[in-house]
Amino acid sequence: SQQGEEDPQALSIQEGENATMNCSYKTSINNLQWYRQNSGRGLVHLILIRSNEREKHSGRLRVTLDTSKKSSSLLITASRAADTASYFCAFFTGGGNKLTFGTGTQLKVEL
Amino acid sequence: NAGVTQTPKFQVLKTGQSMALQCAQDMNHNSMYWYRQDPGMGLRLIYYSASEGTTDKGEVPNGYNVSRLNKREFSLRLESAAPSQTSVYFCASSGTSGRVGELFFGEGSRLTVL
Repeated sequence: SQQGEEDPQALSIQEGENATMNCSYKTSINNLQWYRQNSGRGLVHLILIRSNEREKHSGRLRVTLDTSKKSSSLLITASRAADTASYFCAFFTGGGNKLTFGTGTQLKVEL
Repeated sequence: NAGVTQTPKFQVLKTGQSMALQCAQDMNHNSMYWYRQDPGMGLRLIYYSASEGTTDKGEVPNGYNVSRLNKREFSLRLESAAPSQTSVYFCASSGTSGRVGELFFGEGSRLTVL
């Protein structure tokens, strides 16, 4: 399977702490995306990082990409209870149109 | 803007029954996708359509058929449902058919096959 793998599978932190989740993949990529899924809902796109970028910021999100290690990380700073969700990395495989997702990290932010 | 709309939201089938999940997008997107989500498995691509009139298999196409009816609509059909097809199904669309676009997802269709 070309599916990405994420770790940890689950993460529980206190509000105000930072949350870091990692994604590893096996194929060559042009870009890598991160999505968020609230319980029982569809996925929502968070951020995209291109293969020629090492780091990208968007609000409280920071994404890094290391193409030599085929890995990416998502950092959420100063987490809030509303950040409780599952987070997935995703990347295109199969020559172009197939967006493949990682297995996801379940984040729980407690008050 | 409705975005991506899936129907039905919930469905219970008996083994061997057939049904279609409907998906429509109002963003004039070229590409559309069907995924299934199972616990611990993340999302797996069933079929996708890079543009109107074209469809292609994803990672887990067996037991499914698709129709890209027009640019807006992409349906997923289960011809003879099996318990292994119990899952949450997500439709998504993208504004590009290349490697760049972000996907916009529907809210999911929860299917149980008894």
